[in-house]
Amino acid sequence: QITLKESGPTLVKPTQTLTLTCTFSGFSLSSGVGVGWIRQPPGQALEWLALFYWDGDKRYNPSLRGRLTLTKDTSENQVVLTMTDMDPVDTATYFCARSDYYSDDFCFDYWGQGTLVTVSS
Amino acid sequence: SSELTQDPTVSVALGQTVTITCQGGIFRSYYASWYQVKPGQAPLLVMFGKNNRPSGIPDRFSGSRSGSTASLTITGAQAEDEADYFCCSRDHSGSHLVFGSGTKVTVL
Repeated sequence: QITLKESGPTLVKPTQTLTLTCTFSGFSLSSGVGVGWIRQPPGQALEWLALFYWDGDKRYNPSLRGRLTLTKDTSENQVVLTMTDMDPVDTATYFCARSDYYSDDFCFDYWGQGTLVTVSS
Repeated sequence: SSELTQDPTVSVALGQTVTITCQGGIFRSYYASWYQVKPGQAPLLVMFGKNNRPSGIPDRFSGSRSGSTASLTITGAQAEDEADYFCCSRDHSGSHLVFGSGTKVTVL
């Protein structure tokens, strides 16, 4: 059974750095597999943020590049997203999900439940 | 970056057919995938590839593409299909992903 779960703070202050962890099970970061991050502000659209591929290749949304960093935990079943200089407009539910580098058929197949992050002083 | 445009809202009578479109993609090269999003739930993949449904997705969901437009059709809409639907594909660079603006489907 494939599962993903996001964890991190529910409240951050403006200008702070957000660190979110995606812990997954039922698959490994093997050939072709990627783990991505997506967010959805309240009442708004999904927005792709970043992707970490099995070979260490990292992709970032150009509109947010410079603020985002992806790392992989040494346990190898966690992918960590950091976002700097948080602003109230970054208030959103943040999801992690599984992707496949070799597939043009879909963006993500399995998703976590998401975690709501509020940016407020 | 690319943009994928969807109609903000559509409504459909119970049991009738509704088609949601996603415009602006390079669907000659990449397929759109479609996600159903309900409040408080994880997004659910309902359509991918040429016209593929993940296990457990009812066959009333179907997909197609033509030029720069991808479509998701629900034939015989049910009350449980009421949700937001987002398309997703690779952008014109092929290196990044982009989601559509989303369509709220109301089942009357």
